[in-house]
Amino acid sequence: ETGVTQTPRHLVMGMTNKKSLKCEQHLGHNAMYWYKQSAKKPLELMFVYSLEERVENNSVPSRFSPECPNSSHLFLHLHTLQPEDSALYLCASSQGGSHEQYFGPGTRLTVT
Amino acid sequence: KQEVTQIPAALSVPEGENLVLNCSFTDSAIYNLQWFRQDPGKGLTSLLLIQSSQREQTSGRLNASLDKSSGRSTLYIAASQPGDSATYLCAVVNRDDKIIFGKGTRLHILP
Repeated sequence: ETGVTQTPRHLVMGMTNKKSLKCEQHLGHNAMYWYKQSAKKPLELMFVYSLEERVENNSVPSRFSPECPNSSHLFLHLHTLQPEDSALYLCASSQGGSHEQYFGPGTRLTVT
Repeated sequence: KQEVTQIPAALSVPEGENLVLNCSFTDSAIYNLQWFRQDPGKGLTSLLLIQSSQREQTSGRLNASLDKSSGRSTLYIAASQPGDSATYLCAVVNRDDKIIFGKGTRLHILP
């Protein structure tokens, strides 16, 4: 595997379910990001981890819970989501916070 | 507060034409600017990264320019092809390491 991978690619969940999104980067980067992309809106940065520590949380609801166990893996734990949380969730990594970002293919999430 | 605007939101041009996509930003104190391509339902692919000290970057048929003082960047695509059809996004990284994306320009190349 090369680059940034995300699983699953598609996820349908009910509002009472608990699920997790996984991201893995094979680039030796030290920063990882979660983004949300909704229709007709700019990409929204959700969380930033640098050296496995969370450095930014852009006022994301607590029903989204990130986890970064090491510099190569990033998770987004989901529980009691709302239909408006349906979106494409993108993971990215970079070497440092200001360098070129590399994105994964995304997880298309549908909350029913 | 940094705002990034991309105009137009959508663009259709015949195959073979050269075209320019525009990106503007309100705060010139940026660290870098990056252009991405996104195919429908897919992740973003980095095209070009311009550091704040640079004026332009080139990769193949793509050329990106940066004018910090006017808060503008352009992405020039030469000899467009149907495979260039995608959404093109620009993003700026501020001096405080925050990254702000534009909404993108949806490009359609007509065969």
